[in-house]
Amino acid sequence: QKEVEQDPGPLSVPEGAIVSLNCTYSNSAFQYFMWYRQYSRKGPELLMYTYSSGNKEDGRFTAQVDKSSKYISLFIRDSQPSDSATYLCAMEMGSARQLTFGSGTQLTVLP
Amino acid sequence: GAVVSQHPSRVICKSGTSVKIECRSLDFQATTMFWYRQFPKQSLMLMATSNEGSKATYEQGVEKDKFLINHASLTLSTLTVTSAHPEDSSFYICSARGQGARNTIYFGEGSWLTVV
Repeated sequence: QKEVEQDPGPLSVPEGAIVSLNCTYSNSAFQYFMWYRQYSRKGPELLMYTYSSGNKEDGRFTAQVDKSSKYISLFIRDSQPSDSATYLCAMEMGSARQLTFGSGTQLTVLP
Repeated sequence: GAVVSQHPSRVICKSGTSVKIECRSLDFQATTMFWYRQFPKQSLMLMATSNEGSKATYEQGVEKDKFLINHASLTLSTLTVTSAHPEDSSFYICSARGQGARNTIYFGEGSWLTVV
């Protein structure tokens, strides 16, 4: 079993839809949770960074962490074609460790 | 704006030659940088952890003599692919941990290597 599981998709939604992306993890030692967006042939771009259970909102993006269920989500409201990318969840145990990534979900927002 | 810069973004080299990729932290010092490799439609694979002033730590299965990593300063790490072969063609990405309020990992733009 992988430490971090993420549905690879692909996921296609119409413009304006609410997108829900999810990851589950098995290691309760993970403390910090991140979502990255990666456009084709580009490096990942940090979208959200959280370290506690609950919700964090930034514009159209909301990150949700449920440590008791070992489940994290990223919601995208009013999705746009420019949101079409691969979304990677990532987590780490502490500042001295490297990230553990999910496999990434490929999202396409259709105009 | 970008806080980690990678150069070159794209490079083509002949089989048997070596190629160097640079990773710079632009406005912070990074004692630790990470090097990843990514194949099409796959997630990032950690190759090695680069530590300033000491030897890099390589992941299992990564040849340290083939992928030379040097982290000579707090803002620069380099990855040299030696005696490159076509199977080394890939997308290479570096990352660095920020400081203070930005104490998370930021990625460079990535470097496409094609070995012909």
